[in-house]
Amino acid sequence: QVQVVQSGAEVKKPGASVKVSCKASGFTFVNYGVSWVRQAPGQGLEWMGWINTYNGDTNYAQKVQGRITMTADTDTTTAYMDLRSLRSDDTAIYYCSYSGNSGTLRVDYWGQGTLVTVSS
Amino acid sequence: DIVMTQSPLSLAVTPGEPASFSCRSSQSLLHNNGYNYLDWYLQKPGQSPQLLIYFGSIRASGVPDRFSGSGSGTDFTLKISRVEAEDVGVYYCMQALQTPFTFGPGTKMDIK
Repeated sequence: QVQVVQSGAEVKKPGASVKVSCKASGFTFVNYGVSWVRQAPGQGLEWMGWINTYNGDTNYAQKVQGRITMTADTDTTTAYMDLRSLRSDDTAIYYCSYSGNSGTLRVDYWGQGTLVTVSS
Repeated sequence: DIVMTQSPLSLAVTPGEPASFSCRSSQSLLHNNGYNYLDWYLQKPGQSPQLLIYFGSIRASGVPDRFSGSGSGTDFTLKISRVEAEDVGVYYCMQALQTPFTFGPGTKMDIK
């Protein structure tokens, strides 16, 4: 069955880096693009970027451009989001979402979210 | 960046009654391919968001037909024909026409 499993919660100090993983199973990895979305405590959703798992093309939000790298490992069917130079306002739940087609309709498979806390 | 607004910010609905959510964008979301690049998501309490509607009006795979989306250009509406208790949560619209994709602030729906 379809599963999207993200790595566990992280606590980081300001200036550090974090790498969140997003493991996919039960569907064809390279047929789905991956978006990363974050949600600060009690706040709404913020799109951070997207990666084409087939060819590795990426598109990042300008707000995090220069600090973020998204990658996709087709061997392990896992997408990664690496965020550097962490600040307190990076504290959020980070979600990955695989988006593709099931038959003629679009389907999104979301991970359970990873809480990243940035605190000194 | 395209700015998304939603109204109301909250509403309470009696089960079995209809519900309506409004979403507006600062620029037209109509692509020259004829599709509006507007998604609707529901985030149930304590859960990840889930896709309900894409291209403004197409139900995603597995979404009940009580959910419908309409609109074009800058004005969009999500409707629930008969609200069920499991529909509680925050409804977000998101434009996917140009990066950065942007979300509205959300409409929180509770059950009366």
